[in-house]
Amino acid sequence: KQEVTQIPAALSVPEGENLVLNCSFTDSAIYNLQWFRQDPGKGLTSLLLIQSSQREQTSGRLNASLDKSSGRSTLYIAASQPGDSATYLCAVPPQGGSEKLVFGKGTKLTVNP
Amino acid sequence: KAGVTQTPRYLIKTRGQQVTLSCSPISGHRSVSWYQQTPGQGLQFLFEYFSETQRNKGNFPGRFSGRQFSNSRSEMNVSTLELGDSALYLCASTRWLTSTDTQYFGPGTRLTVL
Repeated sequence: KQEVTQIPAALSVPEGENLVLNCSFTDSAIYNLQWFRQDPGKGLTSLLLIQSSQREQTSGRLNASLDKSSGRSTLYIAASQPGDSATYLCAVPPQGGSEKLVFGKGTKLTVNP
Repeated sequence: KAGVTQTPRYLIKTRGQQVTLSCSPISGHRSVSWYQQTPGQGLQFLFEYFSETQRNKGNFPGRFSGRQFSNSRSEMNVSTLELGDSALYLCASTRWLTSTDTQYFGPGTRLTVL
């Protein structure tokens, strides 16, 4: 059964710092990996989707990488801003099985001005 | 293009009651998935509907059910509510029944069971 782990659970950084969020998964048979952002009490906003054939995706100050063989993905945020404060979740749709997406429990990021 | 909408946004119910939540997908999207989010368990997949048929189902008891209409709108129902059903219920839509597309989420319905 696919399991997704995100470390650290919480992270606090000063504004302007570059940071890396980690995501690991136990079964490398995945179609893709998706990173989401969730603001308190709100729904999820899709940030980046990396297909299994890709190694990385970029959007603005965000860069996500995928290493299927090692079961890991990282989300790199450059020049962090207070507006980046949110919980970041990664999720994978496992091949086989009945689940649509398996989520990690997220990393709660706080960027201090 | 309007996003995924969910109604109501907030609900308060008592144990033993039942509740129905509604989700309208993005126009043109035919797949709707439902998730439950709690502080302890995180986000867990409930079920997915495509073309009015349940295609996938997570590990939840039969008290949780859903349906999809011909216009792709979906409802989920929880019967005989328990305190542990208090959660944020999220729905997401994609164009097709595929795992390769981005899922777009609604704002969620916050259910509180007293």
